[in-house]
Amino acid sequence: EMQLVESGGGLVQPNGSLKLSCAASGFTFNTYDMSWVRQSPGKGLGLVAGISIKSYNYATFYADSVKGRFTISRDDSQSMVYLQMNNMKTEDTALYYCTAINPGYYVMDAWGQGASVTVSS
Amino acid sequence: IQLTQSPSLLSASVGDRVTLSCKGSQNINNYLAWYQQKLGEAPKLLIYKTNSLQTGIPSRFSGSGSGTDYTLTISSLHSEDLATYYCYQYNNGLTFGSGTKLEIK
Repeated sequence: EMQLVESGGGLVQPNGSLKLSCAASGFTFNTYDMSWVRQSPGKGLGLVAGISIKSYNYATFYADSVKGRFTISRDDSQSMVYLQMNNMKTEDTALYYCTAINPGYYVMDAWGQGASVTVSS
Repeated sequence: IQLTQSPSLLSASVGDRVTLSCKGSQNINNYLAWYQQKLGEAPKLLIYKTNSLQTGIPSRFSGSGSGTDYTLTISSLHSEDLATYYCYQYNNGLTFGSGTKLEIK
């Protein structure tokens, strides 16, 4: 069974930094693109960042709202994906989901339980 | 590509046939999926590539559409279908619709 477990969420002050981690298991991690999707309180879903597999040179993509502030990375040897968040803003407050993107039809077919991030002074 | 879902809120009775709409700002080429999110849970994939049912999803869920217009249909509403439903396109970038909240009368 595919499983994703996020960690690292918490309370951070504006302009502060936080790093989220996601541990993957139950599937061939190095064949899946991975992404982070967030959901602000009472709102819808929004893609934050994604990272491709080694054969695509670990290409990354970001939502415009986080470009230059967030960095996604992965460690295939540990089946881990990370989201480094810098210069955080109050509007970054959200539940952050780690997702696995199926290589066959490019949908997010596995989701973690989410990591809660609050940006507040 | 932007996705517009309608209605934003839908109230229906158990046993009803329910139809949710998702419209793209440009051609999606059938690269359209649907997710169900129940309160306090992560989204769950229901349908991919417009009309392919994800493993384990009840057959009362079905998808259709082409071009810019897509539909999720629940043939006979069950009480456990109370949730918010999101469409998602992966034809050009990756974007989610704003969601349709389904309430049970």
